[in-house]
Amino acid sequence: GQNIDQPTEMTATEGAIVQINCTYQTSGFNGLFWYQQHAGEAPTFLSYNVLDGLEEKGRFSSFLSRSKGYSYLLLKELQMKDSASYLCAATDSNYQLIWGAGTKLIIKP
Amino acid sequence: SQTIHQWPATLVQPVGSPLSLECTVEGTSNPNLYWYRQAAGRGLQLLFYSVGIGQISSEVPQNLSASRPQDRQFILSSKKLLLSDSGFYLCAWSVVTGGFSPLHFGNGTRLTVT
Repeated sequence: GQNIDQPTEMTATEGAIVQINCTYQTSGFNGLFWYQQHAGEAPTFLSYNVLDGLEEKGRFSSFLSRSKGYSYLLLKELQMKDSASYLCAATDSNYQLIWGAGTKLIIKP
Repeated sequence: SQTIHQWPATLVQPVGSPLSLECTVEGTSNPNLYWYRQAAGRGLQLLFYSVGIGQISSEVPQNLSASRPQDRQFILSSKKLLLSDSGFYLCAWSVVTGGFSPLHFGNGTRLTVT
């Protein structure tokens, strides 16, 4: 079956760095997305990886290892506004998105 | 620029009542359109998607239906709501099927069936 696993909740301190991991099992693979979702709001697109390696966008970076079925989202210089859920989604061979349940990130002062 | 509108933002409906949620996209032509449902603490569940007018694919069997009467309009309906239909409903669009094409979500409708 197709499956996405990511931690349910993580806690980090303002100004620190946090890494949110995601492992996936899909029928074929055509890329991995990360979305941010604040409480009560819609998800917003953060990043996309299809090749192995690190993609950097300001304070956020996303890494992919296709051979390991593994990705992580790295958030640097954490701010209180980064408190949100982070959703990992993999695209299968039919370009359908398989979604993880999300990781709730709590930032403490 | 492209925008997506979804309404209403919140809805409280009794069991057995009908439902109609509407979504429209502006600034793009022939988008792929999607309806998702998100239950508390769960991942996004794809309900329906459409690649063109009148073309609807259903991902899960349920008492919900979708229609696309116009290119940039997507409607989610039910004739009789169940308690289990409560959740956060999200409409989304993307440019193409395949490749790098992120989903862009509307603000969502929080539906409570009582």
